Amino acid sequence: AQKITQTQPGMFVQEKEAVTLDCTYDTSDQSYGLFWYKQPSSGEMIFLIYQGSYDEQNATEGRYSLNFQKARKSANLVISASQLGDSAMYFCAMREGLGYDYKLSFGAGTTVTVRA
Amino acid sequence: DAGITQSPRYKITETGRQVTLMCHQTWSHSYMFWYRQDLGHGLRLIYYSAAADITDKGEVPDGYVVSRSKTENFPLTLESATRSQTSVYFCASSERAGGPKDTQYFGPGTRLTVL
Repeated sequence: AQKITQTQPGMFVQEKEAVTLDCTYDTSDQSYGLFWYKQPSSGEMIFLIYQGSYDEQNATEGRYSLNFQKARKSANLVISASQLGDSAMYFCAMREGLGYDYKLSFGAGTTVTVRA
Repeated sequence: DAGITQSPRYKITETGRQVTLMCHQTWSHSYMFWYRQDLGHGLRLIYYSAAADITDKGEVPDGYVVSRSKTENFPLTLESATRSQTSVYFCASSERAGGPKDTQYFGPGTRLTVL
């Protein structure tokens, strides 16, 4: 079963507008972490934002915020005031468990294209 | 601040040859990971390591070998390359101290083509 589901393969957004990227996850663990990464056309994977399962506040990092709805098992990324440089693939990922066996599960990604 | 580096960045090889991809990190992170990224499959974990001399299989380990004699290095070897191993390979590392320190930081990737 898919642990991370990103249902939007591609999105277009106008420059300076906000965009929301959907991410739902599946886990039976109480302790887990959620991450968003950006992959521009140059190929590198850039860490954007982290949300812990016990964090009561939604995470924010500059123009990025994570809309964490634990009961719905969703962790949507909001990019405010989009810029041309935000055009990239975005991946949602989840870390489960506390032990030695530590892995990230990645979603399939969402491609964002920012239009001028 | 070098962070995490991979070499080579691009590699073309032939079927049956042995290839080693290098990964080096300067943060002294305890955990290191190897992923491959293919269209339609996203990122898939090949192997990971919790510390020097401790390695474990990920989702797609067949055809790959890893070692970790030093904390900072985590080479990935394709023992006998096959065309299906044509991919982009990413190395990553993390502190694994819980919470946001679980964040994995990625190297720039190696694009491998097997002819």
